[in-house]
Amino acid sequence: DSGVTQTPKHLITATGQRVTLRCSPRSGDLSVYWYQQSLDQGLQFLIQYYNGEERAKGNILERFSAQQFPDLHSELNLSSLELGDSALYFCASSDSPGQGTDTQYFGPGTRLTVL
Amino acid sequence: GQQVMQIPQYQHVQEGEDFTTYCNSSTTLSNIQWYKQRPGGHPVFLIQLVKSGEVKKQKRLTFQFGEAKKNSSLHITATQTTDVGTYFCAGPESNYQLIWGAGTKLIIKP
Repeated sequence: DSGVTQTPKHLITATGQRVTLRCSPRSGDLSVYWYQQSLDQGLQFLIQYYNGEERAKGNILERFSAQQFPDLHSELNLSSLELGDSALYFCASSDSPGQGTDTQYFGPGTRLTVL
Repeated sequence: GQQVMQIPQYQHVQEGEDFTTYCNSSTTLSNIQWYKQRPGGHPVFLIQLVKSGEVKKQKRLTFQFGEAKKNSSLHITATQTTDVGTYFCAGPESNYQLIWGAGTKLIIKP
């Protein structure tokens, strides 16, 4: 158990809908990272927050947005969903701002299925 | 932009055979990390290499960082069923975010 929690575990929805994925980092970690992993693919970095502020952006679509709240949990919002958004979404946390030497601790993921 | 290439994409081995995955970066890396993702699981940190030419061992796993700090490898000796999964390398980009390799899936042949 990494100490990172993600809810829900599974999500099934229809095209055009909007969903929110939630992540709570390990106790004491200030950084939260979001990744997308399509079936049998690698990890695509979406976005990182550090202590409530956006720190880095990866290949995140404009239909997607995220935020980190004062209690450090983070939410990833996916809107106008398309079939291609079906994937596993991981949240990871680390204890520093993202200096390239951070060990990232991953949550169990949310599996999103868009029908 | 910076890329981290990882090969092979899949490797099928008989239990007891060795396994190796290779990671190559288009630029010099300050460090490289390795993660393992079991089937149905999430990536788990294995190790970080920092020094040029560094070699680290974890039981049957040997990790190497190239002299030029642009490549790395993970070698597993005498694979066991518990080794099954996908192994990812990751190195920091210029803005310090990790760039991930596509992963190598280790499959043990029955």
